[in-house]
Amino acid sequence: DVKVTQSSRYLVKRTGEKVFLECVQDMDHENMFWYRQDPGLGLRLIYFSYDVKMKEKGDIPEGYSVSREKKERFSLILESASTNQTSMYLCASSLLRDGGEKLFFGSGTQLSVL
Amino acid sequence: AQTVTQSQPEMSVQEAETVTLSCTYDTSESDYYLFWYKQPPSRQMILVIRQEAYKQQNATENRFSVNFQKAAKSFSLKISDSQLGDAAMYFCAYRIQGAQKLVFGQGTRLTINP
Repeated sequence: DVKVTQSSRYLVKRTGEKVFLECVQDMDHENMFWYRQDPGLGLRLIYFSYDVKMKEKGDIPEGYSVSREKKERFSLILESASTNQTSMYLCASSLLRDGGEKLFFGSGTQLSVL
Repeated sequence: AQTVTQSQPEMSVQEAETVTLSCTYDTSESDYYLFWYKQPPSRQMILVIRQEAYKQQNATENRFSVNFQKAAKSFSLKISDSQLGDAAMYFCAYRIQGAQKLVFGQGTRLTINP
């Protein structure tokens, strides 16, 4: 079974803190994604990566950065957390093939910024 | 920009009945994929069904089927013989052929009444 593991299920941070959200997948997938999920807005793409050290901005990259030093790991960084970044963060991975392959998701990190 | 719209924030159905969740999308592309994902309370996103736009035949997966109307840009999900385990958030998603990222709708929360 493909497994996408997010390091924390719940996280509470203070405004201005630097926050790291970690995601690891074990199926040698090329693509990795960070989505943010908010009620009424669905999932919105923050960043994605299709290879080591490669990254592309999604729809809402402001206030976030990412790091992909190894194929299996994709980190989301909030340089200076703000209250409007309180949200559910979902990591996902997929193969690079263009056959409509599905995304495999982690169980999400519920981040609260106080 | 591609958008996906789910106009029903919440739906409910009696156990064993049939329910249809609506999804419309906006695109100028001709080759793309459409997906329905389920997110139960565990938060783990699960692929329910996918449809290739070039296929006229509607996809089916056991009790789940879609009504794909390409000209109308509509992609509804029908769940037959609803079961308590079907209770979840359901997200419609879209991906252009050649692109790696998915665009998601706002989600529909489905409640199953025993």
